[in-house]
Amino acid sequence: AQRVTQPEKLLSVFKGAPVELKCNYSYSGSPELFWYVQYSRQRLQLLLRHISRESIKGFTADLNKGETSFHLKKPFAQEEDSAMYYCALLIDNYGQNFVFGPGTRLSVLP
Amino acid sequence: DSGVTQTPKHLITATGQRVTLRCSPRSGDLSVYWYQQSLDQGLQFLIQYYNGEERAKGNILERFSAQQFPDLHSELNLSSLELGDSALYFCASSVGGRGPYNEQFFGPGTRLTVL
Repeated sequence: AQRVTQPEKLLSVFKGAPVELKCNYSYSGSPELFWYVQYSRQRLQLLLRHISRESIKGFTADLNKGETSFHLKKPFAQEEDSAMYYCALLIDNYGQNFVFGPGTRLSVLP
Repeated sequence: DSGVTQTPKHLITATGQRVTLRCSPRSGDLSVYWYQQSLDQGLQFLIQYYNGEERAKGNILERFSAQQFPDLHSELNLSSLELGDSALYFCASSVGGRGPYNEQFFGPGTRLTVL
């Protein structure tokens, strides 16, 4: 069955330090993976998707099919990056059925 | 507000009751999605409608149903409510209905508490 795991519930780093939010998936099809972010008191929003190979707010994520991972990285964390991050797997290309991971709360300390 | 709107913001009800949650998509968006977020289950996709038709179905219970109306707003009906149905229910909308480039925009959610 399709599944997304995010092993860390909470990740704390200091401002300026590198950050990596881990995401692993299991899926028999061709994976389409996404990162969503929810800042405090704001709505859930798309951060990036692997198919676009984009870098948003300094974040990047590389799909590693061998390791079935899609880790989110940023070389220098900022305090405004503190938020809840969800990794999501698109399992239905006819519609948009996402399987979400449990989320990781990133706290960037001053 | 030109974004996704949801009413009510909060809802408190008793077990066994039925409630209706409402979602208005962004102007021009044809797809509406419903999600449930709870401490136990995390964020779960429930159902998607595209231009009035059901497009994708996730972990939606039989006690739950949804529809999308001709003006594209959507309602999620939850019946025979149980304590475990207490959660934050999100709605999202998008222009299209499929594929990885179709970005969803989320509403603020309705907090349902079942006592």
